[in-house]
Amino acid sequence: EVQLVESGGALVQPGGSLRLSCAASGFTFSSFWMHWVRQAPGEGLVWVAGINTDGRKTSYADAVKGRFTISRDSAKNTLHLQMNSLRVEDTAVYFCVRDHPFVVEVDATIDNAFDIWGQGTSVTVSS
Amino acid sequence: DIQMTQSPSSLSASVGDRVTITCRPSQSIGVYLNWYQHKPGKAPKLLIFAASSLQTGVPSRFSGSGSGTDFTLTISNLQPEDFAIYYCQQSYSTPPYTFGQGTKLEI
Repeated sequence: EVQLVESGGALVQPGGSLRLSCAASGFTFSSFWMHWVRQAPGEGLVWVAGINTDGRKTSYADAVKGRFTISRDSAKNTLHLQMNSLRVEDTAVYFCVRDHPFVVEVDATIDNAFDIWGQGTSVTVSS
Repeated sequence: DIQMTQSPSSLSASVGDRVTITCRPSQSIGVYLNWYQHKPGKAPKLLIFAASSLQTGVPSRFSGSGSGTDFTLTISNLQPEDFAIYYCQQSYSTPPYTFGQGTKLEI
């Protein structure tokens, strides 16, 4: 079964750090881009960070750039999100997501969609 | 960055109804538009990719259409399990992978 399981969420004080992990199983982890998406209480889904297959290319939302670091360990089929200098506004459920390249029928180009999601791990930043 | 605007923000419907949700990006994105369903406490689920292609395992009562700056998600013959929040997402110009603000479908 294709599965993503997040862990590491906790209550942390503003300015603190936290490391989230995501264990992947049931597919060839090293073949897929991966992302983190978050949902703050009462809000919608927001993309946070992404990483390519070999871990050498990363990208971040402006809100977390310079504070968060996404990484992957393909030997352990694990995705990580190191979160530093946490702010109250980082409070959210964080989802680990697989990025799947789908072929667009009309012109055979590629559309990347998030096809597998974990259940999420909750991060609360509060004093 | 491309902004995604969904309408309506919430929608009331009944079992058996047909509903339509609209998504409008701030610039043309071809067919690089995906739709997701999210139920509270659960993992979001990919419904539609490339504007109109149904993801494997998704019931055929879900359909998507559109291109450029005007997209729709239609759910025919609403079932009780369809009451959820629906999000569109653009994959044309990334990063960032922007989502719409969501449409809450409720009874």
